[in-house]
Amino acid sequence: EVQLVESGGGLVRPGGSLRLSCATSGFMLENYAMYWVRQAPGKGLEWVSGISWNSGTREYADSVRGRFTISRDNAKNSVYLQMNSLREEDTAFYYCSKDVALGLRGWFDSWGQGTLVAVSS
Amino acid sequence: DIQMTQSPSSLSASVGDRVTITCQASQDIDKSLNWYQQKPGKAPKLLIYDASTLKTGVPSRFSGSGSGTDFTFTISSLQPEDIATYYCQQFHNLRLTFGGGAKVEIK
Repeated sequence: EVQLVESGGGLVRPGGSLRLSCATSGFMLENYAMYWVRQAPGKGLEWVSGISWNSGTREYADSVRGRFTISRDNAKNSVYLQMNSLREEDTAFYYCSKDVALGLRGWFDSWGQGTLVAVSS
Repeated sequence: DIQMTQSPSSLSASVGDRVTITCQASQDIDKSLNWYQQKPGKAPKLLIYDASTLKTGVPSRFSGSGSGTDFTFTISSLQPEDIATYYCQQFHNLRLTFGGGAKVEIK
């Protein structure tokens, strides 16, 4: 069974940093692209970032490009999102999601339960 | 970016009713569209991919159709467990975007 477990969320002040982690199990992480998707409380879904199986391709939404960095460690079955220069508008539940292919096909096939990031002074 | 417009944004229907949600893309995306279900307090789940293919294990009362710019998601007979918000999402390019969601409630 595919399992994705996010951690690392919390309360942070504007301008601060957080590193989210996604621990994976039940599948071979090195065979799939992975994503981060966020959802502000009571709002819709917003794609944040994606990374191909070998980290060769990384994509970012305009809203986070230059501030967030996605990475992965296939040996540790983990995906990460380093978030710097956080803004209040980054407040959201952050979900880790698995694609169906090595490259960025753009499918969110499986999802974790999410971790809440709150940016507030 | 490709804009995805869903309608209605919310609806109320009775158990057994046919429910239809539409999704319009701001440009031609062929069949590069997925549908997701998000129940309250839960993560989204992929229901339909490539506009019309049901993911394994998804009940057959769910269906999708369309191509180009206009897409439709249908629940043929609404069940109490279908209470959720439904999102369309395009993957025509890697600037991935979702529709605003359609909240389905029981009347």
